[in-house]
Amino acid sequence: DAGVIQSPRHEVTEMGQEVTLRCKPISGHDYLFWYRQTMMRGLELLIYFNNNVPIDDSGMPEDRFSAKMPNASFSTLKIQPSEPRDSAVYFCASSRGLSLRWFFGPGTRLTVL
Amino acid sequence: GNSVTQMEGPVTLSEEAFLTINCTYTATGYPSLFWYVQYPGEGLQLLLKATKADDKGSNKGFEATYRKETTSFHLEKGSVQVSDSAVYFCALSPAQKLVFGQGTRLTINP
Repeated sequence: DAGVIQSPRHEVTEMGQEVTLRCKPISGHDYLFWYRQTMMRGLELLIYFNNNVPIDDSGMPEDRFSAKMPNASFSTLKIQPSEPRDSAVYFCASSRGLSLRWFFGPGTRLTVL
Repeated sequence: GNSVTQMEGPVTLSEEAFLTINCTYTATGYPSLFWYVQYPGEGLQLLLKATKADDKGSNKGFEATYRKETTSFHLEKGSVQVSDSAVYFCALSPAQKLVFGQGTRLTINP
């Protein structure tokens, strides 16, 4: 099993640019989560999907952030336009049903200059 | 609401010392409780979990007991090793999502 795959691992961009982060969950998992990790705020849940449908997006900071899950094996988190305060590590995680077992990807370290 | 409060770090210990990292929670209902560990440059890994009151989770010498009366889930290890250096997160799951504490950075010196 390849685990949760995220790309890119590192992204450096300039303020105002669009950024797209990608995630491939573990095959067979029906829940997908996007988290953001910063020194100031720790780990925050941004949004999660069940069977490709967004269930709770109350953690999405503002309209600049959007997330999609067009199919069971792919999700994107987009920031447009990006700002320096968006600099963080973004983690994707997946789980299956009520397993109480979440698997995290290695994260994407985003730096917005 | 649901929240987790962890002992502030960083924590620095010598090898073979006893470790305790405190964790308390606020929750509606009866959540499951977890400890996750994050090694440098990696994602989070499940260390242990407990799903009901008085359950003890254990793994790799680490233990934590679900205490409903004190709403706590403190992490302990009797003798730490240099390889235990990492960031530790306490978390709870009221439903299908995880709510994390701030994390505690642990450094073990040889």
